Amino acid sequence: DTGVSQNPRHKITKRGQNVTFRCDPISEHNRLYWYRQTLGQGPEFLTYFQNEAQLEKSRLLSDRFSAERPKGSFSTLEIQRTEQGDSAMYLCASSLGGPGGYNEQFFGPGTRLTVL
Amino acid sequence: SQQGEEDPQALSIQEGENATMNCSYKTSINNLQWYRQNSGRGLVHLILIRSNEREKHSGRLRVTLDTSKKSSSLLITASRAADTASYFCATDPSGTYKYIFGTGTRLKVLA
Repeated sequence: DTGVSQNPRHKITKRGQNVTFRCDPISEHNRLYWYRQTLGQGPEFLTYFQNEAQLEKSRLLSDRFSAERPKGSFSTLEIQRTEQGDSAMYLCASSLGGPGGYNEQFFGPGTRLTVL
Repeated sequence: SQQGEEDPQALSIQEGENATMNCSYKTSINNLQWYRQNSGRGLVHLILIRSNEREKHSGRLRVTLDTSKKSSSLLITASRAADTASYFCATDPSGTYKYIFGTGTRLKVLA
């Protein structure tokens, strides 16, 4: 199966610690998205990459969050000085952007973060 | 903030019945997508409808889009227990690739 993969699947950390998540998109996909989802809510957009360029970033994303996509392949999402409010499922999705860019997103299984 | 809002928030039907859920959004869009999420498989793309399309079919799914009312509906015909899941609409405000998901409709299909 060459779908979107995310690691780790679960992460428990103490408040104040830094955490990093990894997303491996479908290999030929040039677009990569990060979302955050809390219980009973829909996914909330965090940021978007076209190849290695970060083109959109949610205003809700504080300075403690940073994402990278070196070489336009895998991506990492880092949260510094975690807070209990960061506890959520972090989802990664990828898509193949073409003319008009109206392509479906394929989601990974997510990384569930619990901040104690 | 959530651009889309699904209605109803929860829906319970008998197997074989049709299920209709609605999505309203706030800004002009390039396209609207519907996704399904259950605990077993995560988020799965169902159907995409472009802003210049009014209706689209895929198997037992029918999606309509009314850009004048900024709303869309998803119809699932002849529902099955396996359709039990949360359904989300996602829109990309024109000029961005920033997909905004709604709050979801939780569908329960009773066998």
